[in-house]
Amino acid sequence: ETGVTQSPTHLIKTRGQQVTLRCSSQSGHNTVSWYQQALGQGPQFIFQYYREEENGRGNFPPRFSGLQFPNYSSELNVNALELDDSALYLCASSPTAGNTGELFFGEGSRLTVL
Amino acid sequence: AQSVTQLGSHVSVSEGALVLLRCNYSSSVPPYLFWYVQYPNQGLQLLLKYTSAATLVKGINGFEAEFKKSETSFHLTKPSAHMRDAAEYFCAVSTTGGGNKLTFGTGTQLKVEL
Repeated sequence: ETGVTQSPTHLIKTRGQQVTLRCSSQSGHNTVSWYQQALGQGPQFIFQYYREEENGRGNFPPRFSGLQFPNYSSELNVNALELDDSALYLCASSPTAGNTGELFFGEGSRLTVL
Repeated sequence: AQSVTQLGSHVSVSEGALVLLRCNYSSSVPPYLFWYVQYPNQGLQLLLKYTSAATLVKGINGFEAEFKKSETSFHLTKPSAHMRDAAEYFCAVSTTGGGNKLTFGTGTQLKVEL
């Protein structure tokens, strides 16, 4: 059983650029959530996708957007990067959009914005 | 809205000593509560969860937590610390119908000394 995989693992961008982060969910999981973890902080919920539709969004501006594909993989796109977007971006999948609370996390994509 | 507060960003214990990591929650509806662990350069892994069944919850690696509604607490304990327990621990909350959208605390870094 393949776990959650994310790419790239590290990347460096400059202010104003755009970035796309990718996530392959665990086999059999149809729900993908994205979290932002700033240095020294807990993960913050960005949004969740269930069966290719956005299923809830945290307190993030519209320049954070996402997609989920028919195979349940997902992308996180961030436009007009700001210095404060520097963080570890975590993707988590779960077998349902229900409330088991068990999220299966990838190892994250560490974004540095200069 | 719900939130969790983790008291103590850093906790240090001797190997073999009791581990106690504190978490208090705030929720206007009955909460679901979770503890996740994050090892260096890895994603988060679920340790245990409370979803309104037994108030004493046992998890992996010998950890357990007790839900105390009167104290709005969900502290994590382990009777005897091991070096491999050194990691960052996050308490998280969601609510019934919350659909796996978790609100995390700021984390507690556990150090285990010989």
